[in-house]
Amino acid sequence: QVQLQESGPGLVKPSQTLSLTCTVSGGSIIIGGYYWSWIRQRPGKGLEWIGYIYHTGSTYYNPSLKSRLIISVDTSKNQFSLRLTSVTAADTAVYYCARDLGIAAPGEIWGQGTMVTVST
Amino acid sequence: QSALTQPRSVSGSPGQSVAISCTGTSSDVGGYNYVSWYQQHPGKVPKLIIYDVNKRPSGVPDRFSGSKSGNTASLTISGLQAEDEADYYCCSYAGSYTLVFGGGTKVTVL
Repeated sequence: QVQLQESGPGLVKPSQTLSLTCTVSGGSIIIGGYYWSWIRQRPGKGLEWIGYIYHTGSTYYNPSLKSRLIISVDTSKNQFSLRLTSVTAADTAVYYCARDLGIAAPGEIWGQGTMVTVST
Repeated sequence: QSALTQPRSVSGSPGQSVAISCTGTSSDVGGYNYVSWYQQHPGKVPKLIIYDVNKRPSGVPDRFSGSKSGNTASLTISGLQAEDEADYYCCSYAGSYTLVFGGGTKVTVL
């Protein structure tokens, strides 16, 4: 049974870089042809797709975040990661990683989510 | 890329049917048969309940159904149950390997 777990700092200062890692267990990140997503949810707000990655390293980003965003994969560790630069309070959110059911159906399997607060 | 439009809330009595609309444009909802729906209970992780407009993942009750007409997709919950009270989000493929979510709809079971 595939499980995903996000990890990373819960507090990031404004203008700094937010870095999160998603560790996949119970299955290989390179098997099955899945896409792997990052999705966030600001407090009290809706879901926002951040971007996704294929195990080959091909990445696809939300155009509104593209200039600040890097998603990468480490197949040797069965992990994929998110780096969001120049963060502001607007980036405060619960960040979820997910395994996608194809390129157009994110979130077949979700991590538990991790709250990241941008504040001094 | 603008968020898809959903009603803020819908309500119904147990046993009734409710429908949630998700309106986009010809560049997203109307352009592809790639609409998915998610259920999220308060404080919980979202759950995929419909993908590719009308397909249900294994384990999702057939009370949940999806459809699409033009630029608007819909999620219908038939035989509404108390446990269906939750927030529901639509998501559409928007071309060039990008996705866009709707703003969410709160379903209240009266």
